[in-house]
Amino acid sequence: DSGVTQTPKHLITATGQRVTLRCSPRSGDLSVYWYQQSLDQGLQFLIQYYNGEERAKGNILERFSAQQFPDLHSELNLSSLELGDSALYFCASSARGGIVTGELFFGEGSRLTVL
Amino acid sequence: AQKITQTQPGMFVQEKEAVTLDCTYDTSDQSYGLFWYKQPSSGEMIFLIYQGSYDEQNATEGRYSLNFQKARKSANLVISASQLGDSAMYFCAMREGNYKLTFGKGTLLTVNP
Repeated sequence: DSGVTQTPKHLITATGQRVTLRCSPRSGDLSVYWYQQSLDQGLQFLIQYYNGEERAKGNILERFSAQQFPDLHSELNLSSLELGDSALYFCASSARGGIVTGELFFGEGSRLTVL
Repeated sequence: AQKITQTQPGMFVQEKEAVTLDCTYDTSDQSYGLFWYKQPSSGEMIFLIYQGSYDEQNATEGRYSLNFQKARKSANLVISASQLGDSAMYFCAMREGNYKLTFGKGTLLTVNP
């Protein structure tokens, strides 16, 4: 158990819909990272937050947005869903603002299926 | 351009034998970090080992060791005494800047009894 909690574990929805994925980082960790894992693209970095502020952005679509709340949990919002958004979405946390020498602790992922 | 290359889509190994999973990387940074993660069929990502670009010794963590050859830009994972529970996808990753890990496509390891 990494200590990172993601909900829901599984989600099935239809094209055009909007969903919210939730992540609680490990106790004390200030950084939250979101990754998308799909069969064709592999693991792609989406976005990182540190203590409530956006720190780094990766291959995140404009239809997607995220935020980190004062209690440090984070939400990833996916809107106008397309079939190609079906993927496993991981949240990870780290103690510091970056991952210079330490590892990321990953949650178990939220599997999104868009029909 | 692909920055992490794992050339072995799948590998097979007999239980109790050692196996090497290949990883090559491309970067112009002097300071970088290399990671290996394991993803079992249940889906979670498990951190295995880390090697910093300035580390002179190869990293080791229990049965895992990282064969770091800086001039060749390779960071191969060696698993000694394979166990059935080692069957999983293995991902090599490189830290870019301070915030982003770039992952390879992964290698599916199957340990045969």
